[in-house]
Amino acid sequence: AQSVAQPEDQVNVAEGNPLTVKCTYSVSGNPYLFWYVQYPNRGLQFLLKYITGDNLVKGSYGFEAEFNKSQTSFHLKKPSALVSDSALYFCAVRGLASGGSYIPTFGRGTSLIVHP
Amino acid sequence: DAGVIQSPRHEVTEMGQEVTLRCKPISGHNSLFWYRQTMMRGLELLIYFNNNVPIDDSGMPEDRFSAKMPNASFSTLKIQPSEPRDSAVYFCASSSGLDEAFFGQGTRLTVV
Repeated sequence: AQSVAQPEDQVNVAEGNPLTVKCTYSVSGNPYLFWYVQYPNRGLQFLLKYITGDNLVKGSYGFEAEFNKSQTSFHLKKPSALVSDSALYFCAVRGLASGGSYIPTFGRGTSLIVHP
Repeated sequence: DAGVIQSPRHEVTEMGQEVTLRCKPISGHNSLFWYRQTMMRGLELLIYFNNNVPIDDSGMPEDRFSAKMPNASFSTLKIQPSEPRDSAVYFCASSSGLDEAFFGQGTRLTVV
């Protein structure tokens, strides 16, 4: 069975500092990896994805993520955090699940708090 | 495209009543998902449709929950009878193939 782990419930960072939100995954075959952001009382919004190609993927709002196959990780990063980046972040993997379908599995989410 | 549209945005109902949540996916998307989000359990996949056919409903909590997708532009999630523990935010999402999913704004359900 595929799974996603986001080991930190909460990440605190000062505005202007770099941020990292961690994600590791387990999946059969090649993974399709995604990051989403959720602001209060809103649905999840897509940030970026890795399907194939360069291990460093750039996405919306200055975010990027690095795919590391050997460590089965897909950490989300941003060089300089903004207070407006404060939100709930979800990592997701879409791989071949039992039954032959590609069902997306989400992590539990990490709350990012950027302090002024 | 207006994105994934869910209705209603908020629903308050009494225990034992039937609740129907509605979703209009993005035109052209062939996959549709229903998720439930709570503080305790996070984001749970309830059911996954591909080309209007239910592929995986192993996340549906019990027989009180049912979902349909009569055509490519409409899906419903029904709870009958509703219970207080069903209170949550329910999201519908759609995608094309294996691409990223687009989420609706969600329906906040409160069962009293």
